[in-house]
Amino acid sequence: SQTIHQWPATLVQPVGSPLSLECTVEGTSNPNLYWYRQAAGRGLQLLFYSVGIGQISSEVPQNLSASRPQDRQFILSSKKLLLSDSGFYLCAWSVRVGEEQYFGPGTRLTVT
Amino acid sequence: QQQVKQSPQSLIVQKGGISIINCAYENTAFDYFPWYQQFPGKGPALLIAIRPDVSEKKEGRFTISFNKSAKQFSLHIMDSQPGDSATYFCAASGMDSSYKLIFGSGTRLLVRP
Repeated sequence: SQTIHQWPATLVQPVGSPLSLECTVEGTSNPNLYWYRQAAGRGLQLLFYSVGIGQISSEVPQNLSASRPQDRQFILSSKKLLLSDSGFYLCAWSVRVGEEQYFGPGTRLTVT
Repeated sequence: QQQVKQSPQSLIVQKGGISIINCAYENTAFDYFPWYQQFPGKGPALLIAIRPDVSEKKEGRFTISFNKSAKQFSLHIMDSQPGDSATYFCAASGMDSSYKLIFGSGTRLLVRP
């Protein structure tokens, strides 16, 4: 069966510091991978998605970037965090774009 | 045209009652409509999904009703239980969204014992 992992689970970082969040998927090959952000009490905002190694599509211009160095690994990064980067970051995967997406447990990021 | 509008924002139901959450879309090219359930501090979990070739899909106490002509779909939770208390998101995707899921804004459901 497929499993999706995210780490860390929680993170508190000062403004201006770098960020690296990691997501890995087990039990499947060549998944489509997604990064979402969820502000407190709000909906899901798609940040990036990837259909293959090295292929990243950005949905919203922002302070963040994404990379996919391996087939089942998706990384969300920032060089300098802003207060507005605080939120709940969710990674998801799917077999095909536009079909069932399966979410990871999320990373709660607080920028102070 | 890419929006999915979800209502109500919040819902309180007594145990044993029926919870109904509605979503509306404008893009007729959407052809996949899932519902997700999210508990506090957790990632959303796929609950049930429907495609336009059927008007209703039932899985246990959860039913999706789909009205293609009205461009609306809804989630019905029968015999609602306190354990159903969570936030529910509808979503839609299709060719015009490059097959990316477009999510509604969410409904916070509280089922009182």
